[in-house]
This record gives sequence, C-alpha cells and structure tokens, in this order.
Amino acid sequence: EVQLVESGGGLVQPGRSLRLSCTASGFTFGDYAMSWFRQAPGKGLEWVGFIRSKAYGGTTGYAASVKGRFTISRDDSKSIAYLQMNSLKTEDTAVHYCTRGPYGGAAWFDPWGQGTLVTVSS
Amino acid sequence: DIVMTQTPLSSPVTLGQPASISCRSSQSLVHSDGNTYLSWLQQRPGQPPRLLIYKISNRFSGVPDRFSGSGAGTDFTLKITRVEAEDVGVYYCMQVTQFPWTFGQGTKVDIK
Repeated sequence: EVQLVESGGGLVQPGRSLRLSCTASGFTFGDYAMSWFRQAPGKGLEWVGFIRSKAYGGTTGYAASVKGRFTISRDDSKSIAYLQMNSLKTEDTAVHYCTRGPYGGAAWFDPWGQGTLVTVSS
Repeated sequence: DIVMTQTPLSSPVTLGQPASISCRSSQSLVHSDGNTYLSWLQQRPGQPPRLLIYKISNRFSGVPDRFSGSGAGTDFTLKITRVEAEDVGVYYCMQVTQFPWTFGQGTKVDIK
C-alpha cells in the first residue's frame, strides 16, 4: 500500500524552528517529486513547496510566504522528505500535509498523508 | 499569482441528485507544453485531501465514474451525476500550471 506519514508537528514559539518529516512506503520514493501543503484551522489549502526527484536535479520551489524561511530536502535512502521551518510565525499555524507529486506529465498528487499540526504561539 | 474562484461556496444537494461546481482562473491555465494542469480534490470531514480529477477531465484511479471534470482555458467544472452520502465534504480546484500553485476557496457539498 502506498502511504505517507507526517511527523514532527507540535507547539512552538514564534521565531523558533521545527522540522517535519514525511515517511513514505509502498513505492520507490526516489523516483518521485514530493510536495508540502498546509491548511490553517478552518481555512482552505495552501501550497508550501516541493522538491523534484534526483533525476530532475532535486531542485526545490517555494511559496512566497515561506521562501527564505522553509527548506525542503529528501533522503532517498530512508524514503523521507523533510520540511525545515525556521523563523516561525503565528500565521504558520496549520495542518501540514505531504503528498507524492507532481507526477510526470500528468501533474497529479497522490496519496496525501494524514497531516501533522503545527501550532505557533507564545 | 493565478486566482482561482469557485462557485458556489456551498451546495446543499438531495441524495441521488446532481451537483456541479464551477472554477474560474484569473488567467489561462494552458501550459507552454500544451497541457492544462487543473485538478479537483475532495476533502471529507476530518480527512486529508484526495485527488479526484487531474488535467481537467482525467479521473484518478479508484474514483467513481459519477465524478467528471470538463472545461478549458479559464473555465472548469466538476460534476457529480448522483450525489451519495459519502460525497459530503469540501471540493477544491487547484492549478499547477504556473508557480505559485493555487487553490480555489473550496465548495462545501452537504445533504439537504
């Protein structure tokens, strides 16, 4: 079964850092791009960033709201994608989801993990 | 940024009846490669999003055929032919044609 499990969320003070992990199973992790999205409480979905597979350079892209503060990386040997979040702000409070994709010329995203809640508050 | 506008924002539907959601983008979603990267996602209460449709009209694996997508350019539609109880949730359109990737506000579908 293809599965993604996020971990690392929690309560953190403004200005501090947190690292989220997305552990994959059931597929060849290194063959796929991986993306992060988030959803503030009671709000809609927002793209955070993504990382291409090593075959496509492993390059990254980020939303303007997190660029310079967040970094996405991957460890293909462990099938884990990471979201390093620095200089956290209260507006970063959200459930953070990882997903496989965008995939190939179809640009689909599947599956989505269950998400991990990050709460930024003093 | 491309702004995605969904209508309606709320859609109470009778079981067995159809539902339709519109999604309009502020600019064309046709990519330079000729593809249109418009997807539809479903989010059931308390669940993560789930992919339904990609590239306007392609149903993802395991998605019931009562779901269909159509449209072109800047106007897109998700249709449910006969709403079932398990279809209750929020539906989002999403574009990945241009960075930053953006979503519609979401349309809440519930049962009358």
